[in-house]
Amino acid sequence: GAVVSQHPSWVICKSGTSVKIECRSLDFQATTMFWYRQFPKQSLMLMATSNEGSKATYEQGVEKDKFLINHASLTLSTLTVTSAHPEDSSFYICSARGPGFGSGRDSYNEQFFGPGTRLTVL
Amino acid sequence: DAKTTQPTSMDCAEGRAANLPCNHSTISGNEYVYWYRQIHSQGPQYIIHGLKNNETNEMASLIITEDRKSSTLILPHATLRDTAVYYCIVRVARRGSTLGRLYFGRGTQLTVWP
Repeated sequence: GAVVSQHPSWVICKSGTSVKIECRSLDFQATTMFWYRQFPKQSLMLMATSNEGSKATYEQGVEKDKFLINHASLTLSTLTVTSAHPEDSSFYICSARGPGFGSGRDSYNEQFFGPGTRLTVL
Repeated sequence: DAKTTQPTSMDCAEGRAANLPCNHSTISGNEYVYWYRQIHSQGPQYIIHGLKNNETNEMASLIITEDRKSSTLILPHATLRDTAVYYCIVRVARRGSTLGRLYFGRGTQLTVWP
């Protein structure tokens, strides 16, 4: 499958600071990227969907001014957690979807996940 | 918006087949069944997907009931490295078009023991 990377893999920051997380599709062009958040012992929660060159679509209950998403190119999306607080500490995972792979039953866009970024806000 | 029900946890002996059930009684005609797994502190990994026919790949087999209201993921020879949370997801998918979003439920924690 295609490879998605995230940077950094973990970050510790002080309360009130902003943190930027990068998500890159390494060997394909990602027309759509997704950002998820996962708290300990819970499932992944979809935060937002971003399409290259347009504004992100946020899921209900996710503050768009706090979680800034930029998808400026077909291989890079960034999530910025602004004015982070301890309750924002979580595992952030991105996912990327390309323009299409394979043929036949597989001739549609598949979705691949990054390794995740562990954010700890002190 | 998970539309699936899975057991919270299951155990399996190494080398034996692991059969993970999933109920999706409200599945629509244009929705596929997808399986992902997540090893601790890693991103989810795609396993397999299907619409109505049984599917098999190098990782697993997917058995979907005729009424499509339930399915079973089969890992034919479980290893210790298969210990993970397994997610069953239904999503809209149309050939040659964009796919619906992936919404994760709680999944099944599969523990493979020696």
